[in-house]
Amino acid sequence: EAGVAQSPRYKIIEKRQSVAFWCNPISGHATLYWYQQILGQGPKLLIQFQNNGVVDDSQLPKDRFSAERLKGVDSTLKIQPAKLEDSAVYLCASSSLGVPETQYFGPGTRLLVL
Amino acid sequence: DAKTTQPPSMDCAEGRAANLPCNHSTISGNEYVYWYRQIHSQGPQYIIHGLKNNETNEMASLIITEDRKSSTLILPHATLRDTAVYYCIVRPFIKAAGNKLTFGGGTRVLVKP
Repeated sequence: EAGVAQSPRYKIIEKRQSVAFWCNPISGHATLYWYQQILGQGPKLLIQFQNNGVVDDSQLPKDRFSAERLKGVDSTLKIQPAKLEDSAVYLCASSSLGVPETQYFGPGTRLLVL
Repeated sequence: DAKTTQPPSMDCAEGRAANLPCNHSTISGNEYVYWYRQIHSQGPQYIIHGLKNNETNEMASLIITEDRKSSTLILPHATLRDTAVYYCIVRPFIKAAGNKLTFGGGTRVLVKP
């Protein structure tokens, strides 16, 4: 079965520019997660969707970050405007509602803000 | 507010067993212990999870102490490809979605030839 797909793999932008990341989860997975991983740290959850509804976005900086999951499949995460501290790897993960609830991660998008 | 404590790094020899400790002294009765690993430039990968019994799969074994306050992940025959950061995570085990993974700093494991 195909894994979680993410694009682009790398992105370099200047501060105050906008950027968007795309994620395609494993087919049939109802739950989708976006994590931010700053260099040297573990991933931190930004937002969680179940189908196309938001379950948890308590850690999402809503003044600059937005995410959507139209039709409950693909998802996009946007940053506008970007700050230097947004430089990180953005990971997408998905899971089914089965037991155990195991999350499968994509390769991530590495963002550098100059 | 990490619920687990792991050593920041450890080395092990190729072909030998690697024993990775994790302390989770505040674990509650409905929380499971999960292990993930992250190889360089890849996303985290699920390894194993357990509640109170020891567990084994094709990747590793998980030994949980009787009081559940600590656990050990065992890689029986470490290879160079096992070099990664290993994360120990405690989380409630529920059917419905809604439980994020809270990652700590993990243990950076270097397997040496």
